[in-house]
Amino acid sequence: NAGVTQTPKFRILKIGQSMTLQCTQDMNHNYMYWYRQDPGMGLKLIYYSVGAGITDKGEVPNGYNVSRSTTEDFPLRLELAAPSQTSVYFCASSPTGGAGAKNIQYFGAGTRLSVL
Amino acid sequence: GNSVTQMEGPVTLSEEAFLTINCTYTATGYPSLFWYVQYPGEGLQLLLKATKADDKGSNKGFEATYRKETTSFHLEKGSVQVSDSAVYFCALSPNSGYALNFGKGTSLLVTP
Repeated sequence: NAGVTQTPKFRILKIGQSMTLQCTQDMNHNYMYWYRQDPGMGLKLIYYSVGAGITDKGEVPNGYNVSRSTTEDFPLRLELAAPSQTSVYFCASSPTGGAGAKNIQYFGAGTRLSVL
Repeated sequence: GNSVTQMEGPVTLSEEAFLTINCTYTATGYPSLFWYVQYPGEGLQLLLKATKADDKGSNKGFEATYRKETTSFHLEKGSVQVSDSAVYFCALSPNSGYALNFGKGTSLLVTP
């Protein structure tokens, strides 16, 4: 089973370049999330979506954009890459969303991005 | 705000040793608590969870008990294996909102 698939696995960008990190899930989950993980830190939420056509900001949204045109796909866009965006990016999905015990999330393997 | 603190790594153990990874949290109300594991080259996957005080989550020989009085959720395993080498994340889900609050992760290396 594929689960949550992220592409690419690795990418090096120059300052000012743009790129899209792809995320797709085949579990028919309504809820999807983007996190970043900086070295020695926990994961921080960038954006999330509760269904196709609906997105909202998380804790660290500046410098990123998202869209959710289908249930399966939730791409993350970096418009003007900056060194501060060097990180590992994780996409996740959840069948029910919501708080507390319902919030079991399934993660992709991550995209390691360096901005030089 | 909500936060999770877990012990610094890396932790290196010999096979069959006892494992404890400490996790404490700060949150309002009664959050749910999780341990996620990340094996090399893979995404995070849920290891176990507990949803209320004194609940014990368990899976694959790992256990953690939700201790509200000490705001802790320590991960334990009686006898680790080489295949347990991974990064372990403690996380909480508050009673509102969609985010999981993660600790920084603890890297575990088990040697033969």
